[in-house]
Amino acid sequence: AQTVTQSQPEMSVQEAETVTLSCTYDTSESNYYLFWYKQPPSRQMILVIRQEAYKQQNATENRFSVNFQKAAKSFSLKISDSQLGDTAMYFCAFVKMGNQFYFGTGTSLTVIP
Amino acid sequence: DTGVSQNPRHKITKRGQNVTFRCDPISEHNRLYWYRQTLGQGPEFLTYFQNEAQLEKSRLLSDRFSAERPKGSFSTLEIQRTEQGDSAMYLCASTLLQPNTEAFFGQGTRLTVV
Repeated sequence: AQTVTQSQPEMSVQEAETVTLSCTYDTSESNYYLFWYKQPPSRQMILVIRQEAYKQQNATENRFSVNFQKAAKSFSLKISDSQLGDTAMYFCAFVKMGNQFYFGTGTSLTVIP
Repeated sequence: DTGVSQNPRHKITKRGQNVTFRCDPISEHNRLYWYRQTLGQGPEFLTYFQNEAQLEKSRLLSDRFSAERPKGSFSTLEIQRTEQGDSAMYLCASTLLQPNTEAFFGQGTRLTVV
C-alpha cells in the first residue's frame, strides 16, 4: 500500500516570506505522480502543482515550486512571497498509473499579515 | 461545464436512516472518485469508477455503503442505516484517463448524523 506523510500539522508564515511544507511517501512503484492540493476554508480542493516521477526537473508554478527527491521519497512544496490568500490546508497526494489518489493528513498554513 | 457538482451540500439525518448523495463529474471525465474527509484529516479513499465500472472499493468501507455510476456519467453514494461515525464530508472528484491528470473536486456533501 502507498502511504503519504505530512509531518507538519500546522505552520504559519509572515506575508511576503517563504515557507516550505514537507511531504514524504512510501511506494515500491517507479512510475507515479505527485500533487499538492490546496483546500481553502469551506471551499473545494484545487490543484497547486504536480510532478511526474520520471522527470528530474522540479516543477514550478509561479510562486509555487517543489523539491522532488525521488530516492528519498520526498516532495516538499515551497511557497514564495506568501500572500493572505495562501491561507489554507495543503494536501500532498500520490497516484500511480490508473489508480486512486492517496492523500496525506494535511498541513494547515496561516499567512500572517 | 462548471466543474464537479455535488448534491446536497449539507445533509442532517437521524441515526439509522438511509442517505443518498449525488455527484455530477465534468462531462468528459472517465474516472470518478468518492472520498470521505473528517475534520483535520486528509481525504480517505472510498471507491472509484472508470466509466460505469467500479474498479476499486476500500477495504475499510462498510457493507452499508454502496455506490453506482449507471451510465458512466453521474454517480450516487448511498449509506444505509447511518451511524454517528458516518458524519463527515463526502467528496467527489473526477479525472481524465491520463495518469498525470489532476483530479477536480466538488465542494462536497457534509453529512451530520444525529
